[in-house]
Amino acid sequence: KAGVTQTPRYLIKTRGQQVTLSCSPISGHRSVSWYQQTPGQGLQFLFEYFSETQRNKGNFPGRFSGRQFSNSRSEMNVSTLELGDSALYLCASSPGTSGRWGELFFGEGSRLTVL
Amino acid sequence: DQQVKQNSPSLSVQEGRISILNCDYTNSMFDYFLWYKKYPAEGPTFLISISSIKDKNEDGRFTVFLNKSAKHLSLHIVPSQPGDSAVYFCAASARETSGSRLTFGEGTQLTVNP
Repeated sequence: KAGVTQTPRYLIKTRGQQVTLSCSPISGHRSVSWYQQTPGQGLQFLFEYFSETQRNKGNFPGRFSGRQFSNSRSEMNVSTLELGDSALYLCASSPGTSGRWGELFFGEGSRLTVL
Repeated sequence: DQQVKQNSPSLSVQEGRISILNCDYTNSMFDYFLWYKKYPAEGPTFLISISSIKDKNEDGRFTVFLNKSAKHLSLHIVPSQPGDSAVYFCAASARETSGSRLTFGEGTQLTVNP
């Protein structure tokens, strides 16, 4: 069974630009969540999508947005990039309604550098 | 406001000995706790979890202990192996929310020396 796939793996942007990251969940998983990892901050929850609807949202500004498609693939977008947005963005999938509570299957992440 | 804290950024132990990783939380709404392990260039992987109705959960070499009154949990690895060298994240969840919404600590880098 293929794991969670994130693209691109690495990208460099400049301040003020926008970026779109993509995530393909494990087949059959309906929930996709996104996390931001920065040094010293651990992983911080951005949002979760389930069946194309945002089910939960973390404490990030409106510049961070996402969506989920009917095939459960998800994208997240960050507009008007700031230097502090440099981070590893992790996507995780889960069945959504079954399986072990809190067990998420993470991708390898997309490393964003903002110059 | 860091609701889940791992106060030790790093821990080094000898192969065969016990590794103890600690985690504290502040939010009383948390009722489910997990540990994830992360190797370099890989995403975190689920390791073990515990519900607040229990005080111990064991899975092979890994045991998680929960002290609700102290809002403290720990992960014990016995015996430690070099392959256990990784970053360990403690995470917490409130079951009234989604199981995908986890609050993570900052992580502890465990190094097991041969």
